[in-house]
Amino acid sequence: QLQLQESGPGLVKPWETLSLTCTVSGYSISAGHYWGWIRQPPGKGLEWIGSKHHGGSAYNNPSLRSRVTISLDTSKNQFSLKLNSVTAADTATYYCARGDYRAASRVYDVWGQGTMVTVSS
Amino acid sequence: DIQMTQSPSSLSASVGDRVTITCRATQSTNNYLNWYQQKPGKAPKVLIYGASSLQSGVPSRFSGSGTGADFTLTISSLQPEDFATYFCQQTYSTPWTFGHGTKVEI
Repeated sequence: QLQLQESGPGLVKPWETLSLTCTVSGYSISAGHYWGWIRQPPGKGLEWIGSKHHGGSAYNNPSLRSRVTISLDTSKNQFSLKLNSVTAADTATYYCARGDYRAASRVYDVWGQGTMVTVSS
Repeated sequence: DIQMTQSPSSLSASVGDRVTITCRATQSTNNYLNWYQQKPGKAPKVLIYGASSLQSGVPSRFSGSGTGADFTLTISSLQPEDFATYFCQQTYSTPWTFGHGTKVEI
């Protein structure tokens, strides 16, 4: 059964780099699909951060400009998120998810449970 | 960016009610439109993709309709486990954007 699990520090200092890893079990990330990150500030809605396809193409949210890097590590069956120069506005629950292309649409069909990251000194 | 507007932002309903949530995009999404359900403290779960296709394992009381820029999620007979927040999402053009959510309360 496909499962995704986020891991990483729960507290990051302002202006430092937030680094999260998503470990995938039950499916090889090199077999296809795209892999993405979505976040949700406390009490607010969902914000798409970006996705990367196993073939290399990547799409990031322009609102995060060049602060975002999503990488795939096929040897560990993991993918990661790095967000540079964080501020309090980056405090959120971060979800990793698998993306699929079906019925002429793109959808995140499997999600991790989420990990809360607080930006504070 | 394509902005997604959901309405209502919240609603109160009873078990057995028919519930309709709408989602309007600022331009056509070519039916790249998904609906998710989120319960408190949990990750979102996909219900509908491609505007009207039911995700495997999702009860048939959930349905999606619409085309272009106007979409609807319908719950034909609300069950106790359906009290949650529902989000629409367009994945037609980046950035992939979500609606602000509709909270369905008892």
